Amino acid sequence: SQWGEENLQALSIQEGEDVTMNCSYKTYTTVVHWYRQDSGRGPALIILIRSNEREKRSGRLRATLDTSSQSSSLSITAAQCEDTAVYFCATDVGGSNAKLTFGKGTKLSVKS
Amino acid sequence: GGIITQTPKFLIGQEGQKLTLKCQQNFNHDTMYWYRQDSGKGLRLIYYSITENDLQKGDLSEGYDASREKKSSFSLTVTSAQKNEMAVFLCASKRGREQYFGPGTRLTVL
Repeated sequence: SQWGEENLQALSIQEGEDVTMNCSYKTYTTVVHWYRQDSGRGPALIILIRSNEREKRSGRLRATLDTSSQSSSLSITAAQCEDTAVYFCATDVGGSNAKLTFGKGTKLSVKS
Repeated sequence: GGIITQTPKFLIGQEGQKLTLKCQQNFNHDTMYWYRQDSGKGLRLIYYSITENDLQKGDLSEGYDASREKKSSFSLTVTSAQKNEMAVFLCASKRGREQYFGPGTRLTVL
């Protein structure tokens, strides 16, 4: 996929700061997934937001979705060092189509 | 709970060699995937399978074969390894809308 060939975006912040990562997508989607990938491991789902939701929260995480602009964001409040990871958004059209299209990832470094 | 196991963890091959990567899941999930991740980049879908004996091509299937002989396992073959190729191959299975990933196989071609 186009985004899979792109270099990861890099973000570096201090512990305690808030951070927002953005994702834009080109095709119709019913759900936006946000995955986190720790070094040396496979990605893991951290939050999923459906097309009929504008915002979804999970602990210090907040995802938003704007279907009109085909964009989503993931915010982390009061980032901790353990939030250091690569974050990906992914979209899928649902139904019988099993494919997930991953977006360009963000490599987040949280420094103490 | 369940787990996805990928073998081997590290694979070193020679240019032109045929190499096989294996993935096992005990979630009893129907759909499984193979992705390639180059260093510092995102994920690209190589093959996926929605049930035993089914194969669907992803965006990067050229140069690869796949096999899903059992529901619990999904193999990927690099048909001819390219010199200096380095990547991590990630296997995943799916339940509902969520994909569960294995730890990856790191391929280096000398």
